[in-house]
Amino acid sequence: GEDVEQSLFLSVREGDSSVINCTYTDSSSTYLYWYKQEPGAGLQLLTYIFSNMDMKQDQRLTVLLNKKDKHLSLRIADTQTGDSAIYFCAESPSDGNNRLAFGKGNQVVVIP
Amino acid sequence: DGGITQSPKYLFRKEGQNVTLSCEQNLNHDAMYWYRQDPGQGLRLIYYSQIVNDFQKGDIAEGYSVSREKKESFPLTVTSAQKNPTAFYLCASSIGTNTGELFFGEGSRLTVL
Repeated sequence: GEDVEQSLFLSVREGDSSVINCTYTDSSSTYLYWYKQEPGAGLQLLTYIFSNMDMKQDQRLTVLLNKKDKHLSLRIADTQTGDSAIYFCAESPSDGNNRLAFGKGNQVVVIP
Repeated sequence: DGGITQSPKYLFRKEGQNVTLSCEQNLNHDAMYWYRQDPGQGLRLIYYSQIVNDFQKGDIAEGYSVSREKKESFPLTVTSAQKNPTAFYLCASSIGTNTGELFFGEGSRLTVL
């Protein structure tokens, strides 16, 4: 089965870059995802990367994928106070259904 | 505006009572999901449904039940058999089952006294 690991807490000053890391176990995952959860709310899909890519850039977000080490990271450039949230990585199982395996989440606190 | 609506947002119940959480979507999505979120534990899948009148157990289905009589609706009942029901419950939907883009509701926080 899938198992996704994340560290728990990160504080960062406004304007700095923040990097959130994640490791996963299913090397057959087709897609890997980053979701954002603001306080007291549901999750929103931030970005995703196809497993045959090493990097994807989307405005202030950069996703890096190291398939050999099963390591996924999300870099947020010029971090803003609105980026304060919990960030979850998730992997899709290789059997094609949509039972995403989520990590435990990483809380990012942006200090003004 | 299309979206997913969960109700109630906050719910308090006495131990031993069943409680039903509502989830409605007007996105015309086929698949719907219920997750449970506990602090520091991420999201765990309770039940999911790929199509009307069909649903499957997730990783922590014990003590929960669902129905999917209409495409738009996927209510979750937390029964008295659930040993530790106090949690934040999230409902989600997706267009199909081969896309990882889930659309989430705002969640329902259940507290059992």
